[in-house]
Amino acid sequence: QLQLQESGPGLVKPSETLSLTCTVSGGSISGSSYYWGWIRQPPGKGLEWIGTIYYSGTTYYNPSLNSRITISVDTSKNQFSLRLYSVTAADTGVYYCIRGSGYYPSWGQGNLVTVSS
Amino acid sequence: DIQMTQSPSTVSASVGDRVTITCRASQSIGDRLAWYQQKPGKAPKVLIYQASNLQSGVPSRFRGSGSGTEFTLTISSLQPDDFATYYCQQYHDYSPYTFGQGTRLEIK
Repeated sequence: QLQLQESGPGLVKPSETLSLTCTVSGGSISGSSYYWGWIRQPPGKGLEWIGTIYYSGTTYYNPSLNSRITISVDTSKNQFSLRLYSVTAADTGVYYCIRGSGYYPSWGQGNLVTVSS
Repeated sequence: DIQMTQSPSTVSASVGDRVTITCRASQSIGDRLAWYQQKPGKAPKVLIYQASNLQSGVPSRFRGSGSGTEFTLTISSLQPDDFATYYCQQYHDYSPYTFGQGTRLEIK
């Protein structure tokens, strides 16, 4: 059964870089016909699609974050990662890694990231 | 961006009731719509994809319908486990994929 697990720091200082990794088990990123990506949720608020990557490296990003994000994939480790640059308090929230093809049947448990000095 | 607007924002209902949630898109998205259920502290769970297809393992009391710009999620007979927040999501247009603001289903 496919499992996704986020990992990364729970606290990031303003202006620094948020880095998260999603480790995939029970399935392979390489050669998969699915997209892998990230969705976030500020505390008490709704869901925001961040972006996705195909195993070949093709990416799609939310234009509102496009200048600040990089999503990358490491097929040798069966992992993909998110880097969000120059964070502010508005980037605080739970970050979920996801798999799907438009809609998302598979989610990690979520990683709460707080941006604070 | 395609804006997704859900109504109502909150609905109060009792076990056994029939509940309908509406999601409207700011432009046509065909049938590229999914519905999710989220409980506190948990990741969302997909219920419906492609507007009306029931995700494997989801009870048949959940039904999705609609196309174009107007969609509905109907729960035919509420069960205690159904009290949660529901979101619609369009995946017609990558720039970007967007969610509705959520509908909280609470116990009357």
